[in-house]
Amino acid sequence: AQSVTQLDSQVPVFEEAPVELRCNYSSSVSVYLFWYVQYPNQGLQLLLKYLSGSTLVKGINGFEAEFNKSQTSFHLRKPSVHISDTAEYFCAVSAPNTGTASKLTFGTGTRLQVTL
Amino acid sequence: DGGITQSPKYLFRKEGQNVTLSCEQNLNHDAMYWYRQDPGQGLRLIYYSQIVNDFQKGDIAEGYSVSREKKESFPLTVTSAQKNPTAFYLCASTPAGKGGMNTEAFFGQGTRLTVV
Repeated sequence: AQSVTQLDSQVPVFEEAPVELRCNYSSSVSVYLFWYVQYPNQGLQLLLKYLSGSTLVKGINGFEAEFNKSQTSFHLRKPSVHISDTAEYFCAVSAPNTGTASKLTFGTGTRLQVTL
Repeated sequence: DGGITQSPKYLFRKEGQNVTLSCEQNLNHDAMYWYRQDPGQGLRLIYYSQIVNDFQKGDIAEGYSVSREKKESFPLTVTSAQKNPTAFYLCASTPAGKGGMNTEAFFGQGTRLTVV
């Protein structure tokens, strides 16, 4: 089984400042990693994903994440945030090569609050 | 436009009543999923279906039931056996079948269920 830990439940940041949202995972098999964003009372939207290849993944809205296998981490970063980035961010993992139908396991989410 | 439609957006239920949440997709996706979202707990998988007429329990299936009679539809029934049904419910789909959620998962806008 896989698990995901998002270490910060809330991250306050000023507009135009950089931000990092932390995500660590646990799995005994190879995994795929994802970051999703959720705006209030909305569904989730994919920001970016790591399946294989380059460990630095670029996504939408200027976000990027780096897969670190040795530290089992997949932290999300943005060099300069905007007010519109205020939302809940979820890290998720799937294990597609286990021989059974796989599914996403989510972390508990990080609330990013951007202020002026 | 293709997408996932959940209805209704808000739903109120009296204690002891069953209620059914609708989820329809026109993306021609094989797999569909139901998640429950509670504050501070992230998303937890209730049921998922990889193919028509087949579905599997997720991590918190007790008190819920589903059906998958058509590829496009995956309704969720919250039964009176669910002790704490007040939550935000999200439906998702993915084009991957047994390959799992290694591509983008598409989410509906959610249904907020409140027991009164």
